[in-house]
Amino acid sequence: DAMVIQNPRYQVTQFGKPVTLSCSQTLNHNVMYWYQQKSSQAPKLLFHYYDKDFNNEADTPDNFQSRRPNTSFCFLDIRSPGLGDAAMYLCATSRVTLGREQFFGPGTRLTVL
Amino acid sequence: GENVEQHPSTLSVQEGDSAVIKCTYSDSASNYFPWYKQELGKRPQLIIDIRSNVGEKKDQRIAVTLNKTAKHFSLHITETQPEDSAVYFCAASRGGGADGLTFGKGTHLIIQP
Repeated sequence: DAMVIQNPRYQVTQFGKPVTLSCSQTLNHNVMYWYQQKSSQAPKLLFHYYDKDFNNEADTPDNFQSRRPNTSFCFLDIRSPGLGDAAMYLCATSRVTLGREQFFGPGTRLTVL
Repeated sequence: GENVEQHPSTLSVQEGDSAVIKCTYSDSASNYFPWYKQELGKRPQLIIDIRSNVGEKKDQRIAVTLNKTAKHFSLHITETQPEDSAVYFCAASRGGGADGLTFGKGTHLIIQP
């Protein structure tokens, strides 16, 4: 089945230790998004890639970076995680020509010790 | 940027009754309004969406209405069932199709047996 996959599902890191979260998709969608969802809050858009074009949200901290080496994969890098970065990180995809629906992956739960 | 307000934050209804969740948005350029259902620990799932050129859309027990002039849209669930219990998020997006979503804060819907 075509889907959005996130690895790992659970990630534990130490304060200040860089961490990378992975997202892959078999939907051949041209847009990939990263959202941060803290406990009991709504998802918050961090940035997205439209093909190779990177679009950063104005209030996304510089601590968060992203890479999209090809259509299928997108990475979220957190350079120096703080306690406030503990959250669920959701990857989503969409294909502009097929409408606006965004398909979410299962998320990666990040714990910062 | 866009701001989406959602009410109520918690809604408890008797099984079989109807539930209504309301959202308002601030950006008149927004033209896509999806509703997501999120169960505890799971990814958001799209349940219905509406575009700005449509005033109402229905899918079985679920309907969404949009008032562009007033900048508000609502989710209606009829004949509620226990499995409808979840957190529901409204969202808004603008642009040609690649823009990310701005979410409301969510409504915790509780279906009382």
